[in-house]
Amino acid sequence: AQSVAQPEDQVNVAEGNPLTVKCTYSVSGNPYLFWYVQYPNRGLQFLLKYITGDNLVKGSYGFEAEFNKSQTSFHLKKPSALVSDSALYFCAVRSLDTGRRALTFGSGTRLQVQP
Amino acid sequence: EADIYQTPRYLVIGTGKKITLECSQTMGHDKMYWYQQDPGMELHLIHYSYGVNSTEKGDLSSESTVSRIRTEHFPLTLESARPSHTSQYLCASSDSGTGEETQYFGPGTRLLVL
Repeated sequence: AQSVAQPEDQVNVAEGNPLTVKCTYSVSGNPYLFWYVQYPNRGLQFLLKYITGDNLVKGSYGFEAEFNKSQTSFHLKKPSALVSDSALYFCAVRSLDTGRRALTFGSGTRLQVQP
Repeated sequence: EADIYQTPRYLVIGTGKKITLECSQTMGHDKMYWYQQDPGMELHLIHYSYGVNSTEKGDLSSESTVSRIRTEHFPLTLESARPSHTSQYLCASSDSGTGEETQYFGPGTRLLVL
């Protein structure tokens, strides 16, 4: 079975400060890892993914994520938050090695960036 | 421009009505998915399809049904809508040829059953 945990329902950060949204995962074998963002009344928008290679992955809008195999984590980061980054963020995982072909999503973390 | 479309975006309907939520993608993806999401909450996979004439139920039991007669089209049907079906429904697609199968989502349909 594969699972994703996003331990924080909400993260609050001041504009201009660095932000981190946490994600840990559990899969059999090697993972594909994804981050998506959802703005109000919209679908999910793909931000970035880790497949293989460099543990630091860069994505859209200045976001990046660091894959840590020993800690089974894939935290989303941004050096300087913007008010427009306020949204709902989802981490997702899929195993390379099992038959499960669909993504498993975390419960989501609401990011609130204060001016 | 390649994209994924969902119609209607919003639907208010009475109990007992039959409804079909449309999803179409122009990206040539072979796999398509339906998720159910309550406001501001996690997604639950309710149906997926690997290709034409292939459909399977997802993790969350749903009274809805789906069909995949054409690669680009994956409609979801509720034969008799109930208030418990009130939710947001998100459609997604992916290309198995890429390996990692990044999913791309439509804008969603917000359903309210009275």
